[in-house]
Amino acid sequence: EAQVTQNPRYLITVTGKKLTVTCSQNMNHEYMSWYRQDPGLGLRQIYYSMNVEVTDKGDVPEGYKVSRKEKRNFPLILESPSPNQTSLYFCASTRLAGGADGYTFGSGTRLTVV
Amino acid sequence: AQSVTQLDSQVPVFEEAPVELRCNYSSSVSVYLFWYVQYPNQGLQLLLKYLSGSTLVKGINGFEAEFNKSQTSFHLRKPSVHISDTAEYFCAVSEANQAGTALIFGKGTTLSVSS
Repeated sequence: EAQVTQNPRYLITVTGKKLTVTCSQNMNHEYMSWYRQDPGLGLRQIYYSMNVEVTDKGDVPEGYKVSRKEKRNFPLILESPSPNQTSLYFCASTRLAGGADGYTFGSGTRLTVV
Repeated sequence: AQSVTQLDSQVPVFEEAPVELRCNYSSSVSVYLFWYVQYPNQGLQLLLKYLSGSTLVKGINGFEAEFNKSQTSFHLRKPSVHISDTAEYFCAVSEANQAGTALIFGKGTTLSVSS
């Protein structure tokens, strides 16, 4: 089944403790993105990647890092999480530039930073 | 840069009534337009998309949307809603044929269908 897999689904952590949210897609998609979803703000892009070793900042990159060492994986790293990073996170991938074939989203990771 | 405005944050309707969820966008270049649906505690699912050609686009679950270039709108419609259509709906835009561009989302419209 074609899918984007995120782990974990739920995570509670303490301020300052480094964490990684994994994202993997099995569709051989070139383009991958991370979004955060907050009430009343919709989804905002954190980082995106156009191919292996090619990443760029989205609208809200502060406090986050990403890497794209393999085509299928695009982990999101929070080096020193803070409470304002409590949010619902989605990874997404698409085959075509501009997302012409539509983005496939993962099931989400609900992160709470206390 | 593109932007998306969803004009209604909440739309309550009764079952079997028609519904329209409004979306306006701004862009100086050609765009792709999308509607996504998010059911409670789930990820986003593509409802429909406009890339080019016919301005009336049909999607899944009986939804359709009309692209209006002069009014820069992409409103979503369904002639008769069901309780199961209760969800959050997101309009999104991306720059056509451009690598590395973001999918820009509106803030969402919560559709609540009651009996």
